[in-house]
Amino acid sequence: AQSVSQHNHHVILSEAASLELGCNYSYGGTVNLFWYVQYPGQHLQLLLKYFSGDPLVKGIKGFEAEFIKSKFSFNLRKPSVQWSDTAEYFCAVSTNAGKSTFGDGTTLTVKP
Amino acid sequence: DTGVSQDPRHKITKRGQNVTFRCDPISEHNRLYWYRQTLGQGPEFLTYFQNEAQLEKSRLLSDRFSAERPKGSFSTLEIQRTEQGDSAMYLCASSLDRSLGETQYFGPGTRLLVL
Repeated sequence: AQSVSQHNHHVILSEAASLELGCNYSYGGTVNLFWYVQYPGQHLQLLLKYFSGDPLVKGIKGFEAEFIKSKFSFNLRKPSVQWSDTAEYFCAVSTNAGKSTFGDGTTLTVKP
Repeated sequence: DTGVSQDPRHKITKRGQNVTFRCDPISEHNRLYWYRQTLGQGPEFLTYFQNEAQLEKSRLLSDRFSAERPKGSFSTLEIQRTEQGDSAMYLCASSLDRSLGETQYFGPGTRLLVL
């Protein structure tokens, strides 16, 4: 069975600070990897995804993530956060069979 | 708006009552998923359909839960004899099945409160 672990439950940063959110998964086969974001009062939106190819993927709003297969990790990064990045971030993994398994999320608070 | 829609957005019910939620996926998406999300946790998979066929159900889905997608378009999720532990956000997602790489698009969810 797949599982996803997000190490940080709540992260507080000041504007312009750099961000890295950890995500590790457990599954022995080929996986698809996702980061979703949920802004206050809004529904889950796709931030970025990795299916194959270049392990460094770029998403919307300046976010990127790196897939490190040997570490079973897919960490999310942003060099300089903004107040508008305040949200909850979910890492998810799926196989080509369909369903996704999500981590428990990281709440990011960016102080202006 | 061509995204995933869910109805109702909020539902308050008394313990023991039945409730039904509806999900309208993005048109032409052949896969439809139901997830449940409780406070402080990520979405948990409940079940999914490919067209009208229900292909997988989670062990979380007790016999009080049933889902249908009769014509391969919209789907309903029914909870019978609701319990307080059923209080959660119920999320629907849809996707287009591909041989490589499938992205699920989520609806706004239905928040259920069982009193």
